[in-house]
Amino acid sequence: GENVEQHPSTLSVQEGDSAVIKCTYSDSASNYFPWYKQELGKGPQLIIDIRSNVGEKKDQRIAVTLNKTAKHFSLHITETQPEDSAVYFCAAVIQGAQKLVFGQGTRLTINP
Amino acid sequence: GAVVSQHPSRVICKSGTSVKIECRSLDFQATTMFWYRQFPKQSLMLMATSNEGSKATYEQGVEKDKFLINHASLTLSTLTVTSAHPEDSSFYICSASERYEQYFGPGTRLTVT
Repeated sequence: GENVEQHPSTLSVQEGDSAVIKCTYSDSASNYFPWYKQELGKGPQLIIDIRSNVGEKKDQRIAVTLNKTAKHFSLHITETQPEDSAVYFCAAVIQGAQKLVFGQGTRLTINP
Repeated sequence: GAVVSQHPSRVICKSGTSVKIECRSLDFQATTMFWYRQFPKQSLMLMATSNEGSKATYEQGVEKDKFLINHASLTLSTLTVTSAHPEDSSFYICSASERYEQYFGPGTRLTVT
């Protein structure tokens, strides 16, 4: 089955700097890759996603890149702000399936 | 984005009692809903997948007689934790699927005393 590895587990950056979180997946049949932000005591919130027919997608300060050959995808947050502090999860979905396979999560802290 | 609600947000119950958690998709019809459990500082663990009008599919190791799932309509799924014990205390989160995307509810904190 699919396995998703996420790094780093914790990340601390200065406000205004960029943050990058990386994930690798094992099953080449995966074709959908969402990213979720989870604040303490709340459910995960979908912040951006990418499909396998696209190499990059951007939404304001957030971007995701996908390298199908290497089977890895990354989340990029620019001009970080204190409200970006949260746990971020990547996930992968195998084509034809519905289940999300999550990475282990990254606790991002933005230092003012 | 699509909105998913959960009720209650917090519940405390005594050992041996049953607890029902509701999950609703508020502005879209969800043919598939998912139930997850999350322990502190860990990732989400999928418990079961439910499709409207059919029996839920449980993940390996999840007791289907203990965690009863009903998906009676395209906007409502329920999870009932039967004969709850302290080890069932956890954060339970549902999600609803619209095409590829899954949208999560705010979660329910269950404490069994």
